[in-house]
Amino acid sequence: GENVEQHPSTLSVQEGDSAVIKCTYSDSASNYFPWYKQELGKGPQLIIDIRSNVGEKKDQRIAVTLNKTAKHFSLHITETQPEDSAVYFCGGSNYKLTFGKGTLLTVNP
Amino acid sequence: NAGVTQTPKFQVLKTGQSMTLQCAQDMNHNSMYWYRQDPGMGLRLIYYSASEGTTDKGEVPNGYNVSRLNKREFSLRLESAAPSQTSVYFCASSYFDRSGNTIYFGEGSWLTVV
Repeated sequence: GENVEQHPSTLSVQEGDSAVIKCTYSDSASNYFPWYKQELGKGPQLIIDIRSNVGEKKDQRIAVTLNKTAKHFSLHITETQPEDSAVYFCGGSNYKLTFGKGTLLTVNP
Repeated sequence: NAGVTQTPKFQVLKTGQSMTLQCAQDMNHNSMYWYRQDPGMGLRLIYYSASEGTTDKGEVPNGYNVSRLNKREFSLRLESAAPSQTSVYFCASSYFDRSGNTIYFGEGSWLTVV
């Protein structure tokens, strides 16, 4: 089955800086890669996703890149704000979705 | 549109007690899931139901049973709770199309077994 590894486990940045979280996956048949944001005491919420036929996708300050050859994908957050502080999960899916272990992002004012 | 609703939000059980976590979705999704979340372990799949009438084991099914009551509802039962089942439980649902499987989560149920 799919195995998704996520790095780093914690990330601290200053407000206004960029943050990058990376994930690798094992199943070359995986074709869908979502990113979820989980705020304290809440369920994970989908923030952006990318399909295997696309190399990059942007939504305002958030972007995701996918390198199918290397089997890795990354979340990029620019101009970080304190409200970006949360745990972020990546996922990889052919049919069943497998999650990485999460990254705790802290944005310091 | 409520999305995925799960109850109860918080529960304390004594070892050996039983309980059922309820979940309902109003998005007409075919697939439903139960995950548990523990510190440092991410989200681990307990059971899933690809469609009404079917259920399958996930990564950590031991100690749990599920029922897909109808298309909307998917319940998780702990027959004899153990302290190792102290966790946060998330129900989720999804639609599946050719290009992927977008999952939507409920707000979570905090379970403590003492």
